[in-house]
Amino acid sequence: NAGVTQTPKFRILKIGQSMTLQCTQDMNHNYMYWYRQDPGMGLKLIYYSVGAGITDKGEVPNGYNVSRSTTEDFPLRLELAAPSQTSVYFCASSYGSGDTFGSGTRLTVV
Amino acid sequence: TQLLEQSPQFLSIQEGENLTVYCNSSSVFSSLQWYRQEPGEGPVLLVTVVTGGEVKKLKRLTFQFGDARKDSSLHITAAQPGDTGLYLCAGARNNDMRFGAGTRLTVKP
Repeated sequence: NAGVTQTPKFRILKIGQSMTLQCTQDMNHNYMYWYRQDPGMGLKLIYYSVGAGITDKGEVPNGYNVSRSTTEDFPLRLELAAPSQTSVYFCASSYGSGDTFGSGTRLTVV
Repeated sequence: TQLLEQSPQFLSIQEGENLTVYCNSSSVFSSLQWYRQEPGEGPVLLVTVVTGGEVKKLKRLTFQFGDARKDSSLHITAAQPGDTGLYLCAGARNNDMRFGAGTRLTVKP
């Protein structure tokens, strides 16, 4: 049972490049979330999904997009990377009462 | 400003001491979770509290949800070096989750 798997673990992007952060879970959870964690700031919710085909904006959605075509997968897309998007990104899933987190993607935009 | 304020921000204690960390807000939450995070890893869920006034115990950890469901506390008895980590609280309002900035706990042997 792998839980929540995120890839890649590390990535360096140049300003203006695009990339997709992958997230998959094998627990059949309906709820999935993307967070970013900046030093000393806790985690901030970017987007979330309550089920396949449904996505909603969180606290800091600007500059990001998501899709949820299956229950298992919830990729996060950055279209035009900016230095402000340098952060650690966490994907999480739940059945509605407490999240299971992946181990994170550390993204640096230079 | 954070919707959830955690205090203290940093705490360094000796093994065997007791401690309490706090998570406060002016907003009401349908549930509140506590997580512990270690460097380079994602947060790990410790507990979820749902009912105002609820108290849950997990070995040496005691969690309390405020009567008005706006605040919570985590008390650790006889802290051990293995308790070292970043303790995060998170409040749920509908499907929107908001995290505090965390309390970084160091327990010295």
